[in-house]
Amino acid sequence: NAGVTQTPKFQVLKTGQSMTLQCAQDMNHNSMYWYRQDPGMGLRLIYYSASEGTTDKGEVPNGYNVSRLNKREFSLRLESAAPSQTSVYFCASSGVGGRGSNQPQHFGDGTRLSIL
Amino acid sequence: AQSVSQHNHHVILSEAASLELGCNYSYGGTVNLFWYVQYPGQHLQLLLKYFSGDPLVKGIKGFEAEFIKSKFSFNLRKPSVQWSDTAEYFCAVNAQGNTGKLIFGQGTTLQVKP
Repeated sequence: NAGVTQTPKFQVLKTGQSMTLQCAQDMNHNSMYWYRQDPGMGLRLIYYSASEGTTDKGEVPNGYNVSRLNKREFSLRLESAAPSQTSVYFCASSGVGGRGSNQPQHFGDGTRLSIL
Repeated sequence: AQSVSQHNHHVILSEAASLELGCNYSYGGTVNLFWYVQYPGQHLQLLLKYFSGDPLVKGIKGFEAEFIKSKFSFNLRKPSVQWSDTAEYFCAVNAQGNTGKLIFGQGTTLQVKP
């Protein structure tokens, strides 16, 4: 039972390079999320997808794009990487609960991204 | 805008000591509340959650949390910590009906000395 799978686990980029982080979940969840985790700042939502075919901005969307390829997959793209995007990136997914609320989110193992 | 505040950024305890980590949120409506734990080098795992009902919720590994609506708080407690509880703890809030978006606190690093 894989849960949420992220690739790659580590990546080093040069400023200006582009990259796509991949995320896939096998729990048939409707909603998927991308967060970045920085020391002392907790996790901040970059983008999310409430259902297949929809995406919306979170707290810190600038410099990123996303694609909800199908129900399983949700990718995050950095078009022109900047040192400020050095971070640990987590993908998460959740199902739909009662009264319009979502069930707890399940997280992937993260991608450590360094931009020089 | 919703926000979550965790009062303690770094807590150091000896084994068998009691733990209480504070969490306050700002949102006037109905919320779902979560505590997640992140062990060193690992991803976030759910410790416990509150959706409705009994405001005292029990989670895994002996943790519990109490939702006090009047204080907008959801503090995490454990009567006796173990060295294996060394981790980072995150409080998170989701406004009901808000497409599942979570707002996280800054996190509290707990170090338990053997």
